[in-house]
Amino acid sequence: DQQVKQNSPSLSVQEGRISILNCDYTNSMFDYFLWYKKYPAEGPTFLISISSIKDKNEDGRFTVFLNKSAKHLSLHIVPSQPGDSAVYFCAASHSNYQLIWGAGTKLIIKP
Amino acid sequence: GAGVSQTPSNKVTEKGKYVELRCDPISGHTALYWYRQSLGQGPEFLIYFQGTGAADDSGLPNDRFFAVRPEGSVSTLKIQRTERGDSAVYLCASSPLGVWEKLFFGSGTQLSVL
Repeated sequence: DQQVKQNSPSLSVQEGRISILNCDYTNSMFDYFLWYKKYPAEGPTFLISISSIKDKNEDGRFTVFLNKSAKHLSLHIVPSQPGDSAVYFCAASHSNYQLIWGAGTKLIIKP
Repeated sequence: GAGVSQTPSNKVTEKGKYVELRCDPISGHTALYWYRQSLGQGPEFLIYFQGTGAADDSGLPNDRFFAVRPEGSVSTLKIQRTERGDSAVYLCASSPLGVWEKLFFGSGTQLSVL
């Protein structure tokens, strides 16, 4: 049973536009959510996180929104840049090191 | 180097053989994690070290898998009697004490069991 789901395997966005990556979870006990970014042949790198006591967290071009009632979070990237092309993983936690990961969404930014 | 180093980057072995995968964490990071990523899936937690001891090995799939970190720095993941289903990318990550959410990952070891 997948507790964290990223239903879009890939997403293509024009450079300069907004990229929206989505993630759904099933376990209401998760209280911390994270996004990691992964380039080919590299390990994932931490991007942004949000605690369940918040509904939004912003860091530069990246904003994560959390909708607890819908068990849904999204990552917005504005404006999208070519260097944003990567695989994005959503992960959830019970405020500890055991991260439960989604399968990832491959983002392609078109010039 | 400044990052997490994993060796080898690729390992091809035959079914039934024994393999060792090495992880050299960022200097000063007391926490070390092993994850496994199968094709088309996200990373899956295997084991967590705080210092020299395995604080949580609940993610190890069975007793063929074992990991050590004898001096609190370098860690080795050991897989006995490898099976084709063990084929995956094995990722190691480290973090400073108390910082569990921001993990620093290595590039991984691609293990292929033929």
